[in-house]
Amino acid sequence: GEDVEQSLFLSVREGDSSVINCTYTDSSSTYLYWYKQEPGAGLQLLTYIFSNMDMKQDQRLTVLLNKKDKHLSLRIADTQTGDSAIYFCAERPNNAGNMLTFGGGTRLMVKP
Amino acid sequence: EAGVVQSPRYKIIEKKQPVAFWCNPISGHNTLYWYLQNLGQGPELLIRYENEEAVDDSQLPKDRFSAERLKGVDSTLKIQPAELGDSAVYLCASSLGTGSGDTQYFGPGTRLTVL
Repeated sequence: GEDVEQSLFLSVREGDSSVINCTYTDSSSTYLYWYKQEPGAGLQLLTYIFSNMDMKQDQRLTVLLNKKDKHLSLRIADTQTGDSAIYFCAERPNNAGNMLTFGGGTRLMVKP
Repeated sequence: EAGVVQSPRYKIIEKKQPVAFWCNPISGHNTLYWYLQNLGQGPELLIRYENEEAVDDSQLPKDRFSAERLKGVDSTLKIQPAELGDSAVYLCASSLGTGSGDTQYFGPGTRLTVL
């Protein structure tokens, strides 16, 4: 089992917002990341947030960080069918070099 | 700019056979990572190189796995002999360094099937 936990599956309708949640365990984590993986492909970096921030917005993506609860979320506005993929959150502890600890991934299915 | 390149993309072998995976990182990236991704799980770090030095190989099963990055650029990950449980996707990633905010960029992976 991972130290970073995510729900396994999320289904939304095209045009709706998607919210993918993640909890992590290491309070020293300086950076938290969201990666996207499409079938048969590697991981594509979507966005990241530094631990001294509580929100970051990048076009349709909004990342919210609650350090007290060690909770990270990714909101995708106006979700499209092309957003269907597995989304991984990852934490980067402060004392672990550049090692990332990944969650198990959330599979997002977008229905037309 | 080319991303991280890996080959082969797919490999099917019988158990007890050797297998090797190759990775070419993004130009100028000093740090290279090999990850193992089992089906339905997130990637797990196997080994991390800074230039040609392996600085974190604690998760690499050294009885059968080996890796090298001789000139600090390309890297090879080898399994000998392969076991059924080694079936997985092997991902390579690279980053500029290990400093604050150094982002890891991933290759497409090699999907290994051991029969």
